Amino acid sequence: EDQVTQSPEALRLQEGESSSLNCSYTVSGLRGLFWYRQDPGKGPEFLFTLYSAGEEKEKERLKATLTKKESFLHITAPKPEDSATYLCAVLPRGSSNTGKLIFGQGTTLQVKP
Amino acid sequence: DGGITQSPKYLFRKEGQNVTLSCEQNLNHDAMYWYRQDPGQGLRLIYYSQIVNDFQKGDIAEGYSVSREKKESFPLTVTSAQKNPTAFYLCASSIAWGDEQYFGPGTRLTVT
Repeated sequence: EDQVTQSPEALRLQEGESSSLNCSYTVSGLRGLFWYRQDPGKGPEFLFTLYSAGEEKEKERLKATLTKKESFLHITAPKPEDSATYLCAVLPRGSSNTGKLIFGQGTTLQVKP
Repeated sequence: DGGITQSPKYLFRKEGQNVTLSCEQNLNHDAMYWYRQDPGQGLRLIYYSQIVNDFQKGDIAEGYSVSREKKESFPLTVTSAQKNPTAFYLCASSIAWGDEQYFGPGTRLTVT
């Protein structure tokens, strides 16, 4: 069964303390992996798309990487405004999941000043 | 500004009433989606539409209905048959099926 697992569920960091969020996936072929940021009470905001192992994308303090089994969202020197829930979603390849995203449950990040 | 709008932001209904949630996009995207988000659960797909005048059931379509008569609009009706309708509803769109999805601000529905 296709599955996406994010860890940790919650993460507390001090401002400037770098860390990584993990997204592990089990799918029958990967067509794409997406990262989103969601603030409380709002819709998810698209961050990155990764398509193949070894690919990396960067945006400000965020860097997403992809291997054959997992993706990491690295946060360098975070600021309080980076506090949010980060969602990972996978688009499997194959007939049983034609184009439907599978979302993880998210990692809630809190950055304290 | 291009984007996705959902209205209203908050919606309250009595049990047994049908309610329609609005979703409009001016991004010229072909594909549109409806998700439901509950605390402690990932986003779950209700319905999706790859192109105007066509739509398909997602993973939790029971008690919901949609229409796609215009490219820019994809309204969701929550019927009285939906057993647990209180949730945060998110509409999304993508250029084409399988591309990255862009989300609207959401509608929080409370049914009492």
